[in-house]
Amino acid sequence: AQSVTQPDIHITVSEGASLELRCNYSYGATPYLFWYVQSPGQGLQLLLKYFSGDTLVQGIKGFEAEFKRSQSSFNLRKPSVHWSDAAEYFCAQGDTGRRALTFGSGTRLQVQP
Amino acid sequence: GAGVSQTPSNKVTEKGKYVELRCDPISGHTALYWYRQSLGQGPEFLIYFQGTGAADDSGLPNDRFFAVRPEGSVSTLKIQRTERGDSAVYLCASSSAATDTQYFGPGTRLTVL
Repeated sequence: AQSVTQPDIHITVSEGASLELRCNYSYGATPYLFWYVQSPGQGLQLLLKYFSGDTLVQGIKGFEAEFKRSQSSFNLRKPSVHWSDAAEYFCAQGDTGRRALTFGSGTRLQVQP
Repeated sequence: GAGVSQTPSNKVTEKGKYVELRCDPISGHTALYWYRQSLGQGPEFLIYFQGTGAADDSGLPNDRFFAVRPEGSVSTLKIQRTERGDSAVYLCASSSAATDTQYFGPGTRLTVL
């Protein structure tokens, strides 16, 4: 069965600092990978996705992610965090054989002034 | 354009009662998904519709849970004989045939007393 691991439950960074959120996915021949963000009381908003091609993916709000097949990773990065980025971030995996997404347990990001 | 909408936004019920949760997908999206998100966890897949038929219902936890999509648009998730463990946020998502990207609604928070 597919599994997605987000090793960091909670991360705190200072405003203006860089950010990297980790995500490891289980083996899949053609993984589809996603990052979603969820603010309190809100639904999930798609930040970016990887299906194939260029392994560095650009998303909304200045986020990017890099797909590394050798490490089974799809880490999310942002060069300079804003206070409004405080939220819960979820990594998710799908594949061509199954449309359902498998989500990680999430990483809660706090931003210090 | 309009996103995925879900009603009600909150539902409080008593143990043993029957509840219905409604999802209105993005217009033209043929695929519709239901997920359940417990506190502090990532969403877990319940069921996926392609058109009117359930293409994958492997995530439904037991036969108390049932979902329909009779006209290939709006879907209803039905839970019989609710239990306290059913308390969670129920998320709906939809996607088009052109992309495999799922767009989520704001969710229905179900509380079973």
